[in-house]
Amino acid sequence: AQSVTQLDSHVSVSEGTPVLLRCNYSSSYSPSLFWYVQHPNKGLQLLLKYTSAATLVKGINGFEAEFKKSETSFHLTKPSAHMSDAAEYFCVVRRMDSSYKLIFGSGTRLLVRP
Amino acid sequence: GAVVSQHPSWVICKSGTSVKIECRSLDFQATTMFWYRQFPKQSLMLMATSNEGSKATYEQGVEKDKFLINHASLTLSTLTVTSAHPEDSSFYICSARGALAGVLNYEQYFGPGTRLTVT
Repeated sequence: AQSVTQLDSHVSVSEGTPVLLRCNYSSSYSPSLFWYVQHPNKGLQLLLKYTSAATLVKGINGFEAEFKKSETSFHLTKPSAHMSDAAEYFCVVRRMDSSYKLIFGSGTRLLVRP
Repeated sequence: GAVVSQHPSWVICKSGTSVKIECRSLDFQATTMFWYRQFPKQSLMLMATSNEGSKATYEQGVEKDKFLINHASLTLSTLTVTSAHPEDSSFYICSARGALAGVLNYEQYFGPGTRLTVT
């Protein structure tokens, strides 16, 4: 079975400092992995996705993630946090059967201090 | 491209009444739509998967008689919460996947969500 584990429920950073949101996955096959962001009372916005091409994936708003098979990780990073980055972030794996269902992690709330 | 809308964005209804939520793919044909539920400060939980023209497939533990899903066209799916109760209050999000510019795409595109409050 495939799953993702987000290691931190909350992460707090100061504006202008780096962001690291951690995600580990479990999959028997090469997974398709995603990071989504959700601002309060809003829908989901796709930040980036990994689909077995380049292991370093660049997304929108300066975010990037690196797929590390040896560590079964797909951590999300950003060099410099902005106040507008404060939101809930979800690491997601797509099932490799014909359903293509998405399996969501528990989420990490990013707080950005001025 | 790949825009999904939901209507209404928020709704308040009285206990015992039914409420319908619409999910539309605005610029592509959605062969499959998914309905998720999100409780406050929690992750998204898949409720059901609907394929155009066929019955929805519900996840374990989701009452199909309570959450009626219809996917009658390639651009519209509806979720009806029947005999709603306060515990049904939640954020409901739909997503859709299908053919963009004639090419089958496995990505899911999410709607903005509907906040349901049952009083």
